[in-house]
Amino acid sequence: ETGVTQTPRHLVMGMTNKKSLKCEQHLGHNAMYWYKQSAKKPLELMFVYSLEERVENNSVPSRFSPECPNSSHLFLHLHTLQPEDSALYLCASSLGRSQLSTDTQYFGPGTRLTVL
Amino acid sequence: EDQVTQSPEALRLQEGESSSLNCSYTVSGLRGLFWYRQDPGKGPEFLFTLYSAGEEKEKERLKATLTKKESFLHITAPKPEDSATYLCAVREGTYKYIFGTGTRLKVLA
Repeated sequence: ETGVTQTPRHLVMGMTNKKSLKCEQHLGHNAMYWYKQSAKKPLELMFVYSLEERVENNSVPSRFSPECPNSSHLFLHLHTLQPEDSALYLCASSLGRSQLSTDTQYFGPGTRLTVL
Repeated sequence: EDQVTQSPEALRLQEGESSSLNCSYTVSGLRGLFWYRQDPGKGPEFLFTLYSAGEEKEKERLKATLTKKESFLHITAPKPEDSATYLCAVREGTYKYIFGTGTRLKVLA
């Protein structure tokens, strides 16, 4: 496997279910990100982890719970979601160095989430 | 408020008809501008990183340029396989990347 991988690629869940999204990066990066992408909206940053520590949390509802057990893996735990949470959830990684002006984010293929 | 605006929202071109996509930005301290290509239902695919005004990058039929307030993605003699949404993002802080809403490009054979 190379780059950034995400599983599952598609997920349908009811409002009372609990599920988890998984992301893995094989780039040796230090920072990992969760984004939400909805139709005709810019990517919304949800969480950022650097070396397993959360460094950004952009007012995301508590029904989304991130976990970063190590610098290569990132999870997004979901519970009691709402239909408006249906979207494409993207994971990304970057070197995470402030001095590096060209620190590029690399994205995974995304998980298409549908909440019924 | 820091923001990124992309135009046009959608663009239809005939195969071989060159054009440009625009990304204008207002950020207090630019720390990199990025172009991505996104196909339907997939994650953004990295194309270019630009940092300094006057910088240019090229890849096949694509060329990205940067000024102090905007960036252009020039597409020369496009082919149907270039059809996708093109996203622009600027990096403002170590972990803060602001994305535009994208330009949906359709190239007709």
